[in-house]
Amino acid sequence: GENVEQHPSTLSVQEGDSAVIKCTYSDSASNYFPWYKQELGKGPQLIIDIRSNVGEKKDQRIAVTLNKTAKHFSLHITETQPEDSAVYFCAANNQAGTALIFGKGTTLSVSS
Amino acid sequence: SAVISQKPSRDICQRGTSLTIQCQVDSQVTMMFWYRQQPGQSLTLIATANQGSEATYESGFVIDKFPISRPNLTFSTLTVSNMSPEDSSIYLCSGTPNMDTEAFFGQGTRLTVV
Repeated sequence: GENVEQHPSTLSVQEGDSAVIKCTYSDSASNYFPWYKQELGKGPQLIIDIRSNVGEKKDQRIAVTLNKTAKHFSLHITETQPEDSAVYFCAANNQAGTALIFGKGTTLSVSS
Repeated sequence: SAVISQKPSRDICQRGTSLTIQCQVDSQVTMMFWYRQQPGQSLTLIATANQGSEATYESGFVIDKFPISRPNLTFSTLTVSNMSPEDSSIYLCSGTPNMDTEAFFGQGTRLTVV
């Protein structure tokens, strides 16, 4: 089945710096790759997603890139702010397109 | 977007008892999912619940332990049966119109079994 690897597990940056989180997936049939932000005590919230027919997508300070050949995708956050501190999860849909498989998460800490 | 409400938000239960978690969506969704999340860990899919069919369980999860209902396109329940301390976790409900669009999550149910 689909397997999603996520790195790093923790990431500490200074306010204003950029943060990059990387994920790889195993199933070449996956075609949908969302990123979720989870704050303490809350459910995951979608921040950006990308489909396999697109190589890059940007939404203000957040961007995602996808390399289908290498089967990896990355989240880029620019001009980080303390409120960006949270756990970020990447995910990919499974081969049957019936569920999302999540990476293990990255704890991002932005210090001011 | 859809808003998903889960009840209860947290509970402390005695071992051997059962707890039913409710998940209500403010719009119709084709697919609903139940996940388990240990503190500080990732989300593990328990099962997929579609209206009109039996839930599909992932490896390691069985219907007798985690029975699921999906009576309509906006509601689902997950029961954690015959609980043991190992069932202590956060249980999350999710829903989506289809699997290449946004999946929305509830706020989770924090379950502690004593």
